[in-house]
Amino acid sequence: KAGVTQTPRYLIKTRGQQVTLSCSPISGHRSVSWYQQTPGQGLQFLFEYFSETQRNKGNFPGRFSGRQFSNSRSEMNVSTLELGDSALYLCASSLLETYEQYFGPGTRLTVT
Amino acid sequence: QQQVKQSPQSLIVQKGGISIINCAYENTAFDYFPWYQQFPGKGPALLIAIRPDVSEKKEGRFTISFNKSAKQFSLHIMDSQPGDSATYFCAALPGSNYKLTFGKGTLLTVNP
Repeated sequence: KAGVTQTPRYLIKTRGQQVTLSCSPISGHRSVSWYQQTPGQGLQFLFEYFSETQRNKGNFPGRFSGRQFSNSRSEMNVSTLELGDSALYLCASSLLETYEQYFGPGTRLTVT
Repeated sequence: QQQVKQSPQSLIVQKGGISIINCAYENTAFDYFPWYQQFPGKGPALLIAIRPDVSEKKEGRFTISFNKSAKQFSLHIMDSQPGDSATYFCAALPGSNYKLTFGKGTLLTVNP
């Protein structure tokens, strides 16, 4: 089976812009979670989607949003980008029957 | 509030030695404890995981030891190899959702 794929892999944006990141889960996985990884804060949970519904949300401002499509693919959006949003954004997918989460390679976002 | 504390931050081991990384948690609702391995430029890869009803789980050279009363768990890497050099993260997840809480990570270096 193909793993979790994320596009794009690298992105450079300017402060104030918005960005959309995409994630395709492992085939058959219906839960998709997003995490932010930074050197200072480590890995932090953003949100989790199942069946096109956000089930859980982490402690991030409303500028961070996401959605899931009927084919389980997911997107996350960050509006009004700030320098502190520079990070590796990771997507993970899971089967409902297990707690195992499998991560994609991430999207490296740089905000200048 | 750091709910999962990981130590040490960095670890240097000789080839063939045993690498030990420790984690402690506070939230008694945590019900699933995975370990992830991350190489530079890659997403975290699930190594091994344990549930609290088991005190030890072994997969190849990797063993998790779990102490429920002390709220601690550890990863042991036997016969450490240079290819094991990576950052290791412990994590915990409550039974009620898919929100992984991560430790800060341990940078393992295995010298040849």
